[in-house]
Amino acid sequence: GENVEQHPSTLSVQEGDSAVIKCTYSDSASNYFPWYKQELGKRPQLIIDIRSNVGEKKDQRIAVTLNKTAKHFSLHITETQPEDSAVYFCAAGGADGLTFGKGTHLIIQP
Amino acid sequence: DGGITQSPKYLFRKEGQNVTLSCEQNLNHDAMYWYRQDPGQGLRLIYYSQIVNDFQKGDIAEGYSVSREKKESFPLTVTSAQKNPTAFYLCASSRGQGPGTGELFFGEGSRLTVL
Repeated sequence: GENVEQHPSTLSVQEGDSAVIKCTYSDSASNYFPWYKQELGKRPQLIIDIRSNVGEKKDQRIAVTLNKTAKHFSLHITETQPEDSAVYFCAAGGADGLTFGKGTHLIIQP
Repeated sequence: DGGITQSPKYLFRKEGQNVTLSCEQNLNHDAMYWYRQDPGQGLRLIYYSQIVNDFQKGDIAEGYSVSREKKESFPLTVTSAQKNPTAFYLCASSRGQGPGTGELFFGEGSRLTVL
């Protein structure tokens, strides 16, 4: 089955700086790569996703890049703000299933 | 207000007891899912259902059971056979008919504690 590794487990950045979270996956058949944000005590919510026919996708301050050859994808957050503080989960899969990474706790320092 | 409703939010259970967690959605989604979340473990799939009266085991189905008698409802029973049931349980639904076909819409979760 699919195996997803996510790093780092905790990331602390200064407000206004950029944050990068990286994930690797094992199954070359995976073709869907979403990112979910979970604020403390709240439900996970999709923030961005990418499919295997695209190398990069951007939505305002958030971008995701995908390297299918190396089997890794990354979440980039620019100009971080206090409301970006949360746990972020990557996932990889397709119609048969979705495997989540263990999460990254992003801390925005004032 | 459309969405997914889970109940109860907090539940305490004695060892040896079965408990049922409720999940209702009014999004008209075909597919529904149950995930378990443990600290530092991410989200792990317990069961999912793509259509009424049909469901499939996920990665950690042992000790759990589900039913899908109505499109809107997908209750999860945590049985006494589940060896480590204390966890946060999340229900989700999607438009697509599979966990990796598109956005998952999550409920607010149910925290189960076994005493």
